[in-house]
Amino acid sequence: AQRVTQPEKLLSVFKGAPVELKCNYSYSGSPELFWYVQYSRQRLQLLLRHISRESIKGFTADLNKGETSFHLKKPFAQEEDSAMYYCALSGHSGGSNYKLTFGKGTLLTVNP
Amino acid sequence: GAVVSQHPSWVICKSGTSVKIECRSLDFQATTMFWYRQFPKQSLMLMATSNEGSKATYEQGVEKDKFLINHASLTLSTLTVTSAHPEDSSFYICSARDKVGQDFYEQYFGPGTRLTVT
Repeated sequence: AQRVTQPEKLLSVFKGAPVELKCNYSYSGSPELFWYVQYSRQRLQLLLRHISRESIKGFTADLNKGETSFHLKKPFAQEEDSAMYYCALSGHSGGSNYKLTFGKGTLLTVNP
Repeated sequence: GAVVSQHPSWVICKSGTSVKIECRSLDFQATTMFWYRQFPKQSLMLMATSNEGSKATYEQGVEKDKFLINHASLTLSTLTVTSAHPEDSSFYICSARDKVGQDFYEQYFGPGTRLTVT
């Protein structure tokens, strides 16, 4: 079974502070990991995926297979980063078992 | 980028009636679409995978006779909640799968439909 755990429901930081949103997963094969973001009153959208290895809006996430983690980090948080963040996992996206399993989400608030 | 729409965005229906929600991929063709349910302040829960031209695949615990899914074309999937009850009140979100690389896909999400059953 595949499972995604986001231990923090809420995370509050000040503008300019570093932020880390934690995500741990459980999967028997080689997973694809994603971070999705949902800004207030907007639809869910992909922030980044581990295979891309890119930085989006200053956010990065590294897949640590030993710790089964995929934490999302940003060195200097901005107020516009305030949103709900979901970590998600799937099997290989080109395969027949491509189903996204979402964590429960972390609501990030960046205070001025 | 790829856009997915849902209609209606908000619907109220009486207990015992049926309501249909549409999910459309506006600028790409999607052989696979997904239907999720989201309770207040909770995560998205996959209900079923909708495959164009074939039967939907339902997740464990989801009643296929209650949540009818039809994916008749490459741009449209519908979810019909039959004989709705107040406990079916929820936020229903669809997504559509599109190829983004040689061997990779991405899911694009609709804005969601809020169903309230009175």
